[in-house]
Amino acid sequence: DAKTTQPPSMDCAEGRAANLPCNHSTISGNEYVYWYRQIHSQGPQYIIHGLKNNETNEMASLIITEDRKSSTLILPHATLRDTAVYYCIVRGWGSDTDKLIFGTGTRLQVFP
Amino acid sequence: DTAVSQTPKYLVTQMGNDKSIKCEQNLGHDTMYWYKQDSKKFLKIMFSYNNKELIINETVPNRFSPKSPDKAHLNLHINSLELGDSAVYFCASSQDIRARVEKLFFGSGTQLSVL
Repeated sequence: DAKTTQPPSMDCAEGRAANLPCNHSTISGNEYVYWYRQIHSQGPQYIIHGLKNNETNEMASLIITEDRKSSTLILPHATLRDTAVYYCIVRGWGSDTDKLIFGTGTRLQVFP
Repeated sequence: DTAVSQTPKYLVTQMGNDKSIKCEQNLGHDTMYWYKQDSKKFLKIMFSYNNKELIINETVPNRFSPKSPDKAHLNLHINSLELGDSAVYFCASSQDIRARVEKLFFGSGTQLSVL
């Protein structure tokens, strides 16, 4: 079962920042937060991950609260191509059975 | 070059048939996966192989048999296909499932339709 809670859908105007929230109140100390997205008819695509510090890469920024119980993925300037389902996932490590479990995600619609 | 490639992209077949889906990755990764995405878009892990060894088997019916001839390939064979097997099947790979940080690279999916 997924350990995260996300809103089912969000809208964002093109060119504006898209802020996608995620709750993971039961996250444990060795679990990372990952974000993936799935554009229609494609396989999921890795976006970013973090443990406790904020992270930024060429695709997005990840803000993790100090208590690590929630996080926000930020797409700074959303484009129409960012319309997709965004998945927030927590995963531990060190075991053969650690795996990425996808929840229902947030469907982000970017409009012109 | 496509990092994770799977064939065929579309597969339409009759109930009761046996079919295979092939997957290859050219990333030099040790771990490969099969995920199933049903009509409600839930994406569920089915199997994971690490260096040709089965690591994860998520209580998938034994009609599904993954085979990994080498660490760059993970094929999925399905016997006696049923209507409920209709879904999109995604292959994925990662450096090593036991790594602290694991990024999965997914193929473009195989849409299986059982009639």
